[in-house]
Amino acid sequence: AQKITQTQPGMFVQEKEAVTLDCTYDTSDPSYGLFWYKQPSSGEMIFLIYQGSYDQQNATEGRYSLNFQKARKSANLVISASQLGDSAMYFCALKMDTGRRALTFGSGTRLQVQP
Amino acid sequence: KAGVTQTPRYLIKTRGQQVTLSCSPISGHRSVSWYQQTPGQGLQFLFEYFSETQRNKGNFPGRFSGRQFSNSRSEMNVSTLELGDSALYLCASSLVGTGGYEQYFGPGTRLTVT
Repeated sequence: AQKITQTQPGMFVQEKEAVTLDCTYDTSDPSYGLFWYKQPSSGEMIFLIYQGSYDQQNATEGRYSLNFQKARKSANLVISASQLGDSAMYFCALKMDTGRRALTFGSGTRLQVQP
Repeated sequence: KAGVTQTPRYLIKTRGQQVTLSCSPISGHRSVSWYQQTPGQGLQFLFEYFSETQRNKGNFPGRFSGRQFSNSRSEMNVSTLELGDSALYLCASSLVGTGGYEQYFGPGTRLTVT
């Protein structure tokens, strides 16, 4: 079975600073993908970034980067230059490339950006 | 390009009733997945439809069912509602059922069971 662990229920960061949100995962399958989603208070899940298990380079999307350490089974999200609009829940998710392809989500981290 | 749409956005039902939620995927997307989000259980996978066929199913009782139409629109139905079914129901669409990785979510339907 797959499992995603996010150990930080809540995080605070000052505007314009960088912040790292932790995510560890557990799977025995070699082929999988890791996702980060942002969920504002409105409820919609916004796709941020994706990392495939065979990708050699860490994924980056604008101010978002994924620090992928395969041996440690971690996929931390780094947000650079935080903005007030980054305040939201952030979810890490795992999706297998074979078998059941549903997203398995972590419990989330609530990020609050302070001015 | 329009995003994933879900209707209705809010719903209040009474225990024992049934409810149908609708999801229209992004144009061209043939895979639709449903998730339930509650404060206690977090985000849990309900089922996935691809080309009108259910391909995967999560660990939910048979009261939860779904279907997909030829235009890829999907509905989920919950019969004999229980208080614990109160949740945000999210629908996600993706371009393909296999290989394609990005899943785009709709705004969700917030169901309250009283």
